[in-house]
Amino acid sequence: DAGVTQSPTHLIKTRGQQVTLRCSPKSGHDTVSWYQQALGQGPQFIFQYYEEEERQRGNFPDRFSGHQFPNYSSELNVNALLLGDSALYLCASSSGENPWSYGYTFGSGTRLTVV
Amino acid sequence: QKEVEQNSGPLSVPEGAIASLNCTYSDRVSQSFFWYRQYSGKSPELIMSIYSNGDKEDGRFTAQLNKASQYVSLLIRDSQPSDSATYLCAVNSVYSGYALNFGKGTSLLVTP
Repeated sequence: DAGVTQSPTHLIKTRGQQVTLRCSPKSGHDTVSWYQQALGQGPQFIFQYYEEEERQRGNFPDRFSGHQFPNYSSELNVNALLLGDSALYLCASSSGENPWSYGYTFGSGTRLTVV
Repeated sequence: QKEVEQNSGPLSVPEGAIASLNCTYSDRVSQSFFWYRQYSGKSPELIMSIYSNGDKEDGRFTAQLNKASQYVSLLIRDSQPSDSATYLCAVNSVYSGYALNFGKGTSLLVTP
């Protein structure tokens, strides 16, 4: 049973560029959340997708956008990259209406470095 | 922004001892509480979830919740060097909606 898979594992981008990160949820999960974890900090909620719609958004600028596909996989796009966007980006999957009942399952993350 | 506070540590305990990790939260209507373990450079791994006041045990781990005092703790019995990691407390409430609000984590070091 595959867990949450994310790609790529590492990425180096230049300021001002755009990046797309990808996530496939755990089998049986239909909800995908994205978190940003800066070094030494806890994960910060970016947004959550359910039924191909953004269901909730955290305190992140519009440069951060996402998409969910019919197979429940998801993409996170970040435009006009800033140095401060350097972080570990985590995808978390869960199930439907009551996602916190069983907690979230995190993928291994994508380490983004902006230079 | 509702806060989740943890002592950043490091908390150092000898092998075989009990490690006690604490977390306080500011949102009185918080409903769901989670402990995640994160090894350096890895992703968080769910260890325990707790929703009601009292203790919940799972193997060597015990989560304790006191909603009146707004704290949740994690006890690790018979600590092993492999338990050395950062432990993240996460809280969900009606205000946070579907989001988990994380603390910064407590670094635990179990020494042989």
